[in-house]
Amino acid sequence: DQQVKQNSPSLSVQEGRISILNCDYTNSMFDYFLWYKKYPAEGPTFLISISSIKDKNEDGRFTVFLNKSAKHLSLHIVPSQPGDSAVYFCAVANAGGTSYGKLTFGQGTILTVHP
Amino acid sequence: DTAVSQTPKYLVTQMGNDKSIKCEQNLGHDTMYWYKQDSKKFLKIMFSYNNKELIINETVPNRFSPKSPDKAHLNLHINSLELGDSAVYFCASSGPTKETQYFGPGTRLLVL
Repeated sequence: DQQVKQNSPSLSVQEGRISILNCDYTNSMFDYFLWYKKYPAEGPTFLISISSIKDKNEDGRFTVFLNKSAKHLSLHIVPSQPGDSAVYFCAVANAGGTSYGKLTFGQGTILTVHP
Repeated sequence: DTAVSQTPKYLVTQMGNDKSIKCEQNLGHDTMYWYKQDSKKFLKIMFSYNNKELIINETVPNRFSPKSPDKAHLNLHINSLELGDSAVYFCASSGPTKETQYFGPGTRLLVL
C-alpha cells in the first residue's frame, strides 16, 4: 500500500534546461513535504521542504510546488547541472500530529543531467 | 568530520548469524532513526529514538533490536539473520525539526 508514489523511475535532461520531478501522495493527513537527494553509496541529503500552509517554496535553483487538492508535489530544478544527477526522493510527514519525524518515502526518481 | 557515521559499511554474513550495526552522530541531535532500503529501493522507517527512549517502532520482526546507549549513538542488533534481511540500512538523526533528517552513508548487508 504505497502512500507516496513517484511514477517516473528516471528522467533525462540537458544541462541548462529545467528538471521537473513529480510525487503523488494519498493521505490528506500529511502536512509536511520534503525532497531528498541521494548520490550512489551515500545516504540521502535534505534538499528542500514545504509545509501544507504554502504552495511554493524556493531555494536557489530548487523550487517545490504543492497542490493539496491534487495531493501532488513537484520539484523544479532550473537550470539543471550535471552535478544534479542523482536519485531524488520525495518524503511526506504528518508533522502536526504525533509522527515524531516519521517520514514516508517515495521510491525515487533517477535524474540524469547531460552536459 | 562525518556528521552521521555508520560501521561497518559492508557486511556479508551467513543465514542464522547475529550481527550489529553501529551509528554515531556528532550533531548534538536528540532523535535518531533506523531505515531499511530494500531491493525495490523503498526507504522505510524501522525505529526512532528520542533522548534514548524508543518513540517509533514500526512493524519490524523482533529479531531486530535497537539500542541507544546515549543520545549520540543508536545501534541495531539483528538476530538469526534471514535472506530477506539483505538490504541497505541507513541511520539518521534530526534536531528540533524532526522531518529534516541527516543520514549516514548506509550499511550494505548481504545475507547468504
